[in-house]
Amino acid sequence: AQSVAQPEDQVNVAEGNPLTVKCTYSVSGNPYLFWYVQYPNRGLQFLLKYITGDNLVKGSYGFEAEFNKSQTSFHLKKPSALVSDSALYFCAVRDKIASGTYKYIFGTGTRLKVLA
Amino acid sequence: DTGVSQDPRHKITKRGQNVTFRCDPISEHNRLYWYRQTLGQGPEFLTYFQNEAQLEKSRLLSDRFSAERPKGSFSTLEIQRTEQGDSAMYLCASSLVSGRTDTQYFGPGTRLTVL
Repeated sequence: AQSVAQPEDQVNVAEGNPLTVKCTYSVSGNPYLFWYVQYPNRGLQFLLKYITGDNLVKGSYGFEAEFNKSQTSFHLKKPSALVSDSALYFCAVRDKIASGTYKYIFGTGTRLKVLA
Repeated sequence: DTGVSQDPRHKITKRGQNVTFRCDPISEHNRLYWYRQTLGQGPEFLTYFQNEAQLEKSRLLSDRFSAERPKGSFSTLEIQRTEQGDSAMYLCASSLVSGRTDTQYFGPGTRLTVL
């Protein structure tokens, strides 16, 4: 079965510093990977996805993620953190339901706190 | 704002009561999903619609849960005889197949509290 793991419940980083939020995956076949962010009282917002091609994927709000097949990782990164980036971040992998149909399997989330 | 709306945003009910939630997806999206999220966990898949057809249901969806998408547009999720364990955030997502994948866009959720 497909799965993702987010090993850190919380990540603290100082404003202006680079940030990394970790995600590892376990899939059969080619992985389709996603990052979402959740702000308080708001739904999940799509940040970026990896399907194929370049291992470095660029997304919304200056975020990027690096796909590493050998380490089965898909870490979320940003060169310079903002206080407004403080939120709950979820990694997800696509899992096949039936032919041409998929659901997402989410990790448990990582709370990012950017300190001013 | 992703374009997916859910109503109500919050619902408090007493155990044993029935509740119904509504989801309005992005208009051109033909796929609609329901997920449930409990505190400290990521969203878990409940069910999925392709247009008006309900094509998949998770084992998490007990017989007290029913979902409909009558005209292939909005969807409703009903929980009958609510239990305290049903307390959670219920999330709706919609997508449109494009290329090799369909990105799911989530609504703000309905937070259910069962007393």
